[in-house]
Amino acid sequence: QKEVEQNSGPLSVPEGAIASLNCTYSDRGSQSFFWYRQYSGKSPELIMSIYSNGDKEDGRFTAQLNKASQYVSLLIRDSQPSDSATYLCAPYSGNTPLVFGKGTRLSVIA
Amino acid sequence: DADVTQTPRNRITKTGKRIMLECSQTKGHDRMYWYRQDPGLGLRLIYYSFDVKDINKGEISDGYSVSRQAQAKFSLSLESAIPNQTALYFCASQGSSYNEQFFGPGTRLTVL
Repeated sequence: QKEVEQNSGPLSVPEGAIASLNCTYSDRGSQSFFWYRQYSGKSPELIMSIYSNGDKEDGRFTAQLNKASQYVSLLIRDSQPSDSATYLCAPYSGNTPLVFGKGTRLSVIA
Repeated sequence: DADVTQTPRNRITKTGKRIMLECSQTKGHDRMYWYRQDPGLGLRLIYYSFDVKDINKGEISDGYSVSRQAQAKFSLSLESAIPNQTALYFCASQGSSYNEQFFGPGTRLTVL
């Protein structure tokens, strides 16, 4: 059974601060890792993908991957109230469906 | 136009009725998925299809069936709806050469 663990939150951060979202996974065969953002009642939207160990930056978002520790994280710099959403982590190992974590709910306080 | 569309967007029905949710994608993807989402339970996979001739059960397939009518179309049926199937349903597609899944806007289903 492939498992993906995320702190359910809510994670509350003040506007302008860094939000740090963490995810651990059980499948050592995972090769790709995705972060989705989901607003309440809306569909998940891909915001970051990472394939290699280390950091990947895209605007205010940075994904960090450590395959040896089976850990992936998402940092959001200069957090904005519009970043308030649930963030889903999804490791991918190839010819099986993506496995989604239950998500971390982020609340950015103005 | 949206790449992944779902119809209907909202549906209210009664216990025992047969319901079909439809999904179409214009991305040319081989793989398609159906999920349901309930508060606090995350996304749970119902069925998935890696190509037109391939159908696989997910973790919660009981009470559901699917049809892959074409590469672009993947329908989910509830043969006899029950109240605990009230949920938000998402369809998603994924290309065999690309790993990301793209989601449709969702169908909010209420079974009375």
